[in-house]
Amino acid sequence: QQQVKQSPQSLIVQKGGISIINCAYENTAFDYFPWYQQFPGKGPALLIAIRPDVSEKKEGRFTISFNKSAKQFSLHIMDSQPGDSATYFCAATLSGNTPLVFGKGTRLSVIA
Amino acid sequence: GAGVSQSPSNKVTEKGKDVELRCDPISGHTALYWYRQRLGQGLEFLIYFQGNSAPDKSGLPSDRFSAERTGESVSTLTIQRTQQEDSAVYLCASSPYFGDTEAFFGQGTRLTVV
Repeated sequence: QQQVKQSPQSLIVQKGGISIINCAYENTAFDYFPWYQQFPGKGPALLIAIRPDVSEKKEGRFTISFNKSAKQFSLHIMDSQPGDSATYFCAATLSGNTPLVFGKGTRLSVIA
Repeated sequence: GAGVSQSPSNKVTEKGKDVELRCDPISGHTALYWYRQRLGQGLEFLIYFQGNSAPDKSGLPSDRFSAERTGESVSTLTIQRTQQEDSAVYLCASSPYFGDTEAFFGQGTRLTVV
């Protein structure tokens, strides 16, 4: 059972454009939603995270939008740069009860 | 301080052999997780350890897989009688506690079964 569905699988964005990655979850009890960034040959690293009590969180060029009623959340990368080219994973968990459940990942390529 | 360390970084083994993968978590982190990442796929949960509690083994794909952790330190993931479908990157992560906190990942062990 896939509890977190992520789309698209891959994304090509022009430098300076906006990258948007979407995730949908099934378990309404989830209360923590992080995004991880993974470069080739490296382990994933936390990028930004949100809890369901807010609808948006922004850190620099990265923004999470959260829609609790639709059970969806998305990552927006503003002014995308070639250095943002990586694989992005959304995840979800019920704090203290479950390990992180990850989406299948989105491979982002930012081209100049 | 050092991050999560995994060894070996690469392992090639023959089908049917046993392999042991090692994870050194960040000192003081009580929670430790193992994930498997097949080529082009997401992270598949295998097992987690939280302090002295019994580990959650619900993600282990078969009884050929097992893991141990000594206190709040080193963990080893053992795969017995390896099969070609076991080929993947095995990622270990640790966090200060089990819950809504950042999980710090190691670089992984790339296992190739030939």
